[in-house]
Formats: sequence, structure tokens, C-alpha cells
Amino acid sequence: ETGVTQTPRHLVMGMTNKKSLKCEQHLGHNAMYWYKQSAKKPLELMFVYSLEERVENNSVPSRFSPECPNSSHLFLHLHTLQPEDSALYLCASSHEKWGVLNTGELFFGEGSRLTVL
Amino acid sequence: QKEVEQNSGPLSVPEGAIASLNCTYSDRGSQSFFWYRQYSGKSPELIMSIYSNGDKEDGRFTAQLNKASQYVSLLIRDSQPSDSATYLCAVSLEYGNKLVFGAGTILRVKS
Repeated sequence: ETGVTQTPRHLVMGMTNKKSLKCEQHLGHNAMYWYKQSAKKPLELMFVYSLEERVENNSVPSRFSPECPNSSHLFLHLHTLQPEDSALYLCASSHEKWGVLNTGELFFGEGSRLTVL
Repeated sequence: QKEVEQNSGPLSVPEGAIASLNCTYSDRGSQSFFWYRQYSGKSPELIMSIYSNGDKEDGRFTAQLNKASQYVSLLIRDSQPSDSATYLCAVSLEYGNKLVFGAGTILRVKS
């Protein structure tokens, strides 16, 4: 148990559906992240929120839309996805805010396994 | 393009042996280096960090850093079946925020 909870753990959706991934951290951390993990590829940083402000948008297609309503919650809204978007989506948090991640310690959730048909 | 390269494996070692995992990185400005372990179906967890050239030991784990050659390695002594996992190398730049991950090396320890 890392203190970062993601729901749902598994999601199957069609290309025309709209769904959302949810992440909640119970650690009082200052930054939250969305990563994409595809088979045999490096973790790809998608979005970063530091102190509830989006500070990084790593050239992610607009069909992915993040939302951070408060310091404990992070959402990833999904719409009109493509089959190549099928992957494990990992949420993470860090105590340090963006720009001072000196310890490199990210606390990851268990991930949401997304399949796009 | 800043990259972190790892051999995907799998690396198979017998129980009790030393497992050696290697990682190279492309950006000479990299300052901080990390090893994460990811069990199958689980999330990555930080196991080692190293910031200066040389060795850093923590229990059965030793991280080694050579900035001149731009590589970082992880040695696992007395390997156990419970060490079987994917090991991710991660590197961050001087400004200390974005972690760039490698694709990971699968380690299998056979009893």
C-alpha cells in the first residue's frame, strides 16, 4: 500500500466512449503525476500538477484531459481514444513540488489498465 | 532526445548469485540517478538513489555511478527468488524535476 489509490483498476472502452481515471493520494504530497506505461517502453510522463497547478504537459494529445480539483485528487478524462492508447496508466505523487524533486522518490498507484477496442 | 537505455533481458541468475543490471544515459547534465523495482502487476517502488561517482551500498544492493562513462549499475548480492522483478533506471537533470525512465530490465532469479 503506497498511499496512492487508483480507480478503476481495469477499463475497457470503445473509441467513441468517454471515461475518467481517478487517483487519490493520502500522503499530503505536493505534486501529482500521470504516467503511461506501454509494454517494453519507458514510462512516459504525461502531466504534472504541482500545488494544484499544471506545470507539465508533455505533448499529450487533447483526447487526454487532466483535472486536479485539489491537492489529493487527480483525474484523467478520456474521450475518442485510439487502440494505441491501450496501456497501463500510472498515477504518482511526490512530497517535493515540481522543480525540487531531488530525492527522485515518486509514490505510484497500482495503475489503471486501459484497453481501447 | 534525452534517453535512458537498459537491456530488456530477461537476465536469469541462480539463487545466491550476484545480479548485475546496467543502464546508460545520454544527457551529460544528468545529476541524480535512481533504481525502481516493479513486480509483475504492481507499481514501481524506489529502491536506490545515487548522486555522486562511486558506489553506494544498502543491504544486498549496491548502486554504482560513473558520470564520465554515463552509466549507472545496480548489483544485487545473494539474489533471491523474491528479487525477480523488472528494474527501472531513472535519471533526472540538474533542475531536479523530470525523471526520465528506461524501459526496464527483467530479472529472474531461479531457485
